[in-house]
Amino acid sequence: DQQVKQNSPSLSVQEGRISILNCDYTNSMFDYFLWYKKYPAEGPTFLISISSIKDKNEDGRFTVFLNKSAKHLSLHIVPSQPGDSAVYFCAAREAGTALIFGKGTTLSVSS
Amino acid sequence: DVKVTQSSRYLVKRTGEKVFLECVQDMDHENMFWYRQDPGLGLRLIYFSYDVKMKEKGDIPEGYSVSREKKERFSLILESASTNQTSMYLCASSYSGRTGANVLTFGAGSRLTVL
Repeated sequence: DQQVKQNSPSLSVQEGRISILNCDYTNSMFDYFLWYKKYPAEGPTFLISISSIKDKNEDGRFTVFLNKSAKHLSLHIVPSQPGDSAVYFCAAREAGTALIFGKGTTLSVSS
Repeated sequence: DVKVTQSSRYLVKRTGEKVFLECVQDMDHENMFWYRQDPGLGLRLIYFSYDVKMKEKGDIPEGYSVSREKKERFSLILESASTNQTSMYLCASSYSGRTGANVLTFGAGSRLTVL
């Protein structure tokens, strides 16, 4: 049973527009949520995280929103750039356990 | 610059061969992990280790074993490789502090093909 779900396998956005990547989870004990970005033939790199006690965290063009009542989080990228084209993984952690990843969303940003 | 190094980027092995995937980190992290990535399946946890000589099964440990004899090194072993183990293998490490997100740092990956 998937505890972290990314229901959209792919997303296409034009350069300059907003990209919104979504993630749902089922475990109310998760205390941290993270987003990773992965280019082909490279390892994932950490983008941004949010604690379960917050509802928003911002880092430059990247903002993560957390809605605990809906068990939903989203990553907003504004403005989107062609270099943002990659696979984005949502991940979540219950204290003392390993990260659980979603299946990923492939973002394509066209110029 | 912090690093997780996976010794082999690309490997081709035959069914039944024993395969070793090596991972070394230079960040003095306590925790180390092995994931595999497959299209449409995301990152799935194979094994992890919180300390030297300790190991815990992840979600898909069948067909794999691990070894952690030194803090900086975590090896993944395929005792008898099979074609369904063709995949991208990703090693990661993290510190084990009580606060913070304990962000994983990943290696570049090892692409294994089993013929």
